[in-house]
Amino acid sequence: EVQLVESGGGLVQPGGSLRLSCAASGFTVSSSYMFWVRQAPGKGLEWVSLIYPGGGTDHADSVKGRFTISRDSSTNTLYLQMSSLRVEDTAVYYCSREFYLDSWGQGTLVTVSS
Amino acid sequence: QSALTQPASVSGSPGQSITISCTGTSSDVGGYKYVSWYQQHPGKAPKLMIYEVSNRPSGVSNRFSGSKSGNTASLTISGLQAEDEADYYCSSYTSSSTLVFGGGTKLTVL
Repeated sequence: EVQLVESGGGLVQPGGSLRLSCAASGFTVSSSYMFWVRQAPGKGLEWVSLIYPGGGTDHADSVKGRFTISRDSSTNTLYLQMSSLRVEDTAVYYCSREFYLDSWGQGTLVTVSS
Repeated sequence: QSALTQPASVSGSPGQSITISCTGTSSDVGGYKYVSWYQQHPGKAPKLMIYEVSNRPSGVSNRFSGSKSGNTASLTISGLQAEDEADYYCSSYTSSSTLVFGGGTKLTVL
């Protein structure tokens, strides 16, 4: 059974940093397209970052240069390193897999506020 | 990459059918078969309902169906039930090898 469990969210001041984790089971993260998707309070879904099976990455323009997606094959875990955080980055962050996003974690809330 | 266009809200009575549209461009919806639909209840994670335009994952009711014509994809829910009341989002693969979502549609079952 595929399972994704996000962690690492919390309250951070503007300009701060945070690292999110997504522990995966039931499949191999390094063989999959893995995504971070976020949802600001009361808003819709927004694609944030993507890591390809080959290791290449891509990020939405809104986070490019500030966020970095990565993975650890030894622990089958996906990460999102977030820096220079802004108030508008406040959201629930979900990890998911493949372009059809067939499985989702429960999400982790990131609040950027002074 | 601009968001795909969905109606903000739709409604229907129990037993009726409704359709939610998702309009993009030839660089996303119109150019690829990788269009998906998600259902999200308040406070919950999204759930995949349709993938690759018209395929249902195991366990999803056959009351949910998907289609595409040109740059517009559609999700149809037949035999509306109270538990179908939720937000629905579409997504598509893009020519940039990334993903784009629709703005979401709130379905109200009257």
